[in-house]
Amino acid sequence: DAGVTQSPTHLIKTRGQQVTLRCSPKSGHDTVSWYQQALGQGPQFIFQYYEEEERQRGNFPDRFSGHQFPNYSSELNVNALLLGDSALYLCASSALQGNGYNSPLHFGNGTRLTVT
Amino acid sequence: LAKTTQPISMDSYEGQEVNITCSHNNIATNDYITWYQQFPSQGPRFIIQGYKTKVTNEVASLFIPADRKSSTLSLPRVSLSDTAVYYCLVVPKGTNAGKSTFGDGTTLTVKP
Repeated sequence: DAGVTQSPTHLIKTRGQQVTLRCSPKSGHDTVSWYQQALGQGPQFIFQYYEEEERQRGNFPDRFSGHQFPNYSSELNVNALLLGDSALYLCASSALQGNGYNSPLHFGNGTRLTVT
Repeated sequence: LAKTTQPISMDSYEGQEVNITCSHNNIATNDYITWYQQFPSQGPRFIIQGYKTKVTNEVASLFIPADRKSSTLSLPRVSLSDTAVYYCLVVPKGTNAGKSTFGDGTTLTVKP
């Protein structure tokens, strides 16, 4: 049973370019959340997708957008890249349980984005 | 959403028990507490979660006092491979769960 998979593992982009990161959730999970983790800091919540809609959003600009597909996989798009966007981008999946709580987050190993 | 406070770092030796305490003074009635472990260049990994009193699994125990304003992750007999960053999260019910704040975690260093 595959866990959360992310692609690519590493990416180098130039300032001003656009990037798309991909995530496949753990089997049985329907909710995908994206996080940005700068070096030496904890993951920061970007947004969460459920039923192909953005349900929650953290304090990130509109340059960060996403999509969830019918098979629950997801993409994170970042436009007009800045040097400060260099970070590890983590995808996590979970499932909304019958008691109203989400199952614990299962994380992928992330995409290391470097903006030069 | 409840904010958490943890020590920045802790040191221990192999074979010792390690206790990491997290403060979450404004935890809400329906919030539960979750702990994650993260190694360099990997995503965080779920360790344990609980709502009150004590929860134990094969790798850790979680102690939550009656007022639930703090929680303590207990790692029995740590080894060098337990060197990692540990995060405490307060997770609300429903669709707000994803907004839980990780904070900067506690860096545990286990020495031989």
